[in-house]
Amino acid sequence: QVHLVDSGGGLVKPGGSLRLSCAASGFTFSDYYMTWIRQAPGKGLEWVSDISGSSRYTNYADSVKGRFTISRDNAKNSLYLQMESLRADDTAVYYCARPVTRDGDSLPGYWGQGSLVTVSS
Amino acid sequence: QSVLTQPPSASGTPGQRVTISCSGSSSSVVSNTINWYQQLPGTAPKLLISSNNQRSSGVPDRFSGSKSGTSASLAISGLQSEDEADYYCAAWDDSLNGPVFGGGTKLTVL
Repeated sequence: QVHLVDSGGGLVKPGGSLRLSCAASGFTFSDYYMTWIRQAPGKGLEWVSDISGSSRYTNYADSVKGRFTISRDNAKNSLYLQMESLRADDTAVYYCARPVTRDGDSLPGYWGQGSLVTVSS
Repeated sequence: QSVLTQPPSASGTPGQRVTISCSGSSSSVVSNTINWYQQLPGTAPKLLISSNNQRSSGVPDRFSGSKSGTSASLAISGLQSEDEADYYCAAWDDSLNGPVFGGGTKLTVL
């Protein structure tokens, strides 16, 4: 079955960097777009970024564009999110997610357990 | 302000039927299908309904989804205490080229 395990979260100072990872199993990883979604404490869900199966296409929310970089390693069945110039409002639980289908516009169907990123001095 | 609007809260007693609405306000969203997610406290969201009305594997048939025009609904019949959770709707936004989520509805079982 589909299994996603998020890791890499932690406490970082404003302006700092952090790299999140997501280990995937139970499906052909390279066949699917993958997505990062975040949830600030007590708030709703916000799409952050996604990447095509081949890494050819990437897309970012305006709130993170130019600061975050999504990547993947299909040989390792892993998804990454490199976060730079972190701000207090980036504090959130970050989830990796796999869409329901292989279509590029498919909504999230499977979620990792989440990784907490706290940006504070 | 989300392009998908949900009521912030809903409630019901055990055994009752409750519905949660999700209304779209953007032309780049309203023509697309809706997913519904359940988020229990301290856990990741879980897919309940996809493509407006398709129950995900293992989801009880007490949960059902529908969509008409620019609005969608999630109905929960035979309400149980374990249904107490946050519920989110989502749709693909053609302008954003990514998913957008409603603000979430906190369901309380009285």
